[in-house]
Amino acid sequence: GAVVSQHPSRVICKSGTSVKIECRSLDFQATTMFWYRQFPKQSLMLMATSNEGSKATYEQGVEKDKFLINHASLTLSTLTVTSAHPEDSSFYICSAVTGQGNYGYTFGSGTRLTVV
Amino acid sequence: AQTVTQSQPEMSVQEAETVTLSCTYDTSESDYYLFWYKQPPSRQMILVIRQEAYKQQNATENRFSVNFQKAAKSFSLKISDSQLGDAAMYFCARGGSNYKLTFGKGTLLTVNP
Repeated sequence: GAVVSQHPSRVICKSGTSVKIECRSLDFQATTMFWYRQFPKQSLMLMATSNEGSKATYEQGVEKDKFLINHASLTLSTLTVTSAHPEDSSFYICSAVTGQGNYGYTFGSGTRLTVV
Repeated sequence: AQTVTQSQPEMSVQEAETVTLSCTYDTSESDYYLFWYKQPPSRQMILVIRQEAYKQQNATENRFSVNFQKAAKSFSLKISDSQLGDAAMYFCARGGSNYKLTFGKGTLLTVNP
């Protein structure tokens, strides 16, 4: 089945630095990917939609300059958290749309970001 | 806003028994998909079951089945013969024409031995 590889699984960074999270589709082409944020014991909150070859579409309230999304190829989407602060600490998950018409989703395994 | 509502923050079930998790949703679209996802402590999202809105027949996957009531916009999940490995957070989600998934707040399921 379709697999999305997400790295790193855990990262600790210092306040003010930037962190890049990668999501790679291993055996299919992912035209559209989504990035979510999940706080402890809460649901997944959609941050942005990433489309290959075009600018990402951000949900209301998500800072575009803080959460940079790049989807330069059909198999790779990246999320860069710039100038990270402790309040950016969270669990970030990507997902890719699989199939056309009768579609589904494949999720990455998530990245736990801790900003100290 | 088009929402997905899970009214049960927590549920518990005895091993081998049956439990039903509820979900209601709101949408203005006629063509959409509904999903139940399981998130164990590893936090990997695992697809449990999927239902196309245009299909009247309720989806089933082994011990998991849904009761899809389109007019009532209801999509409950029934887990039969519950197992210890079923313990997890369960999310109901709706996908529409823009492929965006809207998630409910989740139901934490505990399975008692």
